[in-house]
Amino acid sequence: DTGVSQDPRHKITKRGQNVTFRCDPISEHNRLYWYRQTLGQGPEFLTYFQNEAQLEKSRLLSDRFSAERPKGSFSTLEIQRTEQGDSAMYLCASSFPDRFYGYTFGSGTRLTVV
Amino acid sequence: TQLLEQSPQFLSIQEGENLTVYCNSSSVFSSLQWYRQEPGEGPVLLVTVVTGGEVKKLKRLTFQFGDARKDSSLHITAAQPGDTGLYLCAGAFSGGGADGLTFGKGTHLIIQP
Repeated sequence: DTGVSQDPRHKITKRGQNVTFRCDPISEHNRLYWYRQTLGQGPEFLTYFQNEAQLEKSRLLSDRFSAERPKGSFSTLEIQRTEQGDSAMYLCASSFPDRFYGYTFGSGTRLTVV
Repeated sequence: TQLLEQSPQFLSIQEGENLTVYCNSSSVFSSLQWYRQEPGEGPVLLVTVVTGGEVKKLKRLTFQFGDARKDSSLHITAAQPGDTGLYLCAGAFSGGGADGLTFGKGTHLIIQP
């Protein structure tokens, strides 16, 4: 298994544009998480899926943020009408649904809004 | 909102010295994890602790979970330059994972040769 893959690694976009990031989790993991990390901070939880069901989305930062996991495999995170404050590292992680297991994170997508 | 505090925020020591990093919360964790993160990369899991009082060792790293499951520590013996990085603790406050993991701000560790 190649681990958790995120694409793209880097994205530069103009303010007001929409962006979409993709995450491919470890195939055996049925939980998938999205986090955001800004400079000097730890990762901040956004949302998570168990299989294709989005079980928590109240922590998404605004209604401009949305996530999908249509077939319970890969997931996408979309940000509409990007703002400069959206500039951050967006991290995806996957895991088994058990507190004994840790998360496996991808390398992240670094978003810069200019 | 459950908060998780790490200390110190920054630590720079010489190779060969020992160090301890702390992670504290006012709430009880169902489990706690430590991660190490390098610049431009995602965090990498070091250990998961679940039982109060639990101690786990990973080579020169010793992780301890407090008896009340509200705090944890990471001790590094004879630190090496390769230990340099951002150390993050992350707690789960519900066994079902509905809250996701709550991360601390991290401890930036620099080991100077």
